[in-house]
Amino acid sequence: GAVVSQHPSWVICKSGTSVKIECRSLDFQATTMFWYRQFPKQSLMLMATSNEGSKATYEQGVEKDKFLINHASLTLSTLTVTSAHPEDSSFYICSTLIGTVQNTEAFFGQGTRLTVV
Amino acid sequence: GNSVTQMEGPVTLSEEAFLTINCTYTATGYPSLFWYVQYPGEGLQLLLKATKADDKGSNKGFEATYRKETTSFHLEKGSVQVSDSAVYFCALVTGGGNKLTFGTGTQLKVEL
Repeated sequence: GAVVSQHPSWVICKSGTSVKIECRSLDFQATTMFWYRQFPKQSLMLMATSNEGSKATYEQGVEKDKFLINHASLTLSTLTVTSAHPEDSSFYICSTLIGTVQNTEAFFGQGTRLTVV
Repeated sequence: GNSVTQMEGPVTLSEEAFLTINCTYTATGYPSLFWYVQYPGEGLQLLLKATKADDKGSNKGFEATYRKETTSFHLEKGSVQVSDSAVYFCALVTGGGNKLTFGTGTQLKVEL
């Protein structure tokens, strides 16, 4: 099946620095990538939808200037957490769809555990 | 709006025990329902799905039936194995959209 590779799997950074998370589709072209965030014992919350070659669509309440999403090619989408603070510590996971959700599958990356100290 | 509620974990069972993980939902329109599984260190994988009322999704010995009357999609397995230890997520999508709404996830630990 389709594989989505997310890197890094975990990262610790200092407050005020920026962190980039990469999500690659390994054997298919992903025109759309979804970025989720999960706090401990909470649901995966959709942050934004990135589309290859165009601006990302952010969900309400998500700061677009803080969570920069780039989808420059059909196989790579990146999420950059800028000027990270401890409250940004969370589990970030990317996903893509092949077909529609009702008729096919969502494929997920392994997730990235971000800890800001 | 849409929401999914699933039982909190962790759920700890002995091997060969019967498993039930409850999932209920609220949704506008008629949702499609999913169970995803996340094994340690891996991404989420689709376990099973059901797209209309009374459908039963099944895979790897797991089953879930779409119950419209009780707005539920409980996950069951008759005999769990240690290899089933993972986090299980219930999810839904409505109206032909592509945004999944997830439950909080339930961690399952199966011991010998």
